[in-house]
Amino acid sequence: KQEVTQIPAALSVPEGENLVLNCSFTDSAIYNLQWFRQDPGKGLTSLLLIQSSQREQTSGRLNASLDKSSGRSTLYIAASQPGDSATYLCAVSSSNTGKLIFGQGTTLQVKP
Amino acid sequence: GAVVSQHPSRVICKSGTSVKIECRSLDFQATTMFWYRQFPKQSLMLMATSNEGSKATYEQGVEKDKFLINHASLTLSTLTVTSAHPEDSSFYICSAVGTPKGLLGEETQYFGPGTRLLVL
Repeated sequence: KQEVTQIPAALSVPEGENLVLNCSFTDSAIYNLQWFRQDPGKGLTSLLLIQSSQREQTSGRLNASLDKSSGRSTLYIAASQPGDSATYLCAVSSSNTGKLIFGQGTTLQVKP
Repeated sequence: GAVVSQHPSRVICKSGTSVKIECRSLDFQATTMFWYRQFPKQSLMLMATSNEGSKATYEQGVEKDKFLINHASLTLSTLTVTSAHPEDSSFYICSAVGTPKGLLGEETQYFGPGTRLLVL
């Protein structure tokens, strides 16, 4: 059974810092991996999607990497801003059915 | 703009009543929709897969008679929480898989804004 773990559970950094969020999964046979952002009481916003054949994806200040063999992904946020404060969720899909297994999330606070 | 909507966004009901939550895909047809539940400070847990025109597939531990799912059209899936109890209080999020009009490429999964249910 696939399990997804995110470390740390919470993170507080001053504005401008670069930071890394970690995600690990137990079954390396994944179809893809996604990073989402969730603001308090809101739905999910997809940030980056990495297919199983890819090693990384970039969007603006965000860079996500995938190491399938070790069951790990990282989300790198450059030059953090207070507007980046949110919960970041990692989710993996084991097939093209779209079913996602989510991690517990990392709650990020960027202080001005 | 949002491509998946949910209604209502927030609902408070008395214990024992039934609550219906709608999930609509806007500007695209979704043959598959998913229903997730999120308890406070926890992650999303998949409840069921809703396929248009067929019975929903429920995840292990989810009572199909308590959480009724109807995917009557390619743009609408409903989740009815029957005889709701305080322990059903949660944040319910749906997602829809499809390709919005005007966009090219593979089907993508889009999430709704969520419905917060509070059962008193």
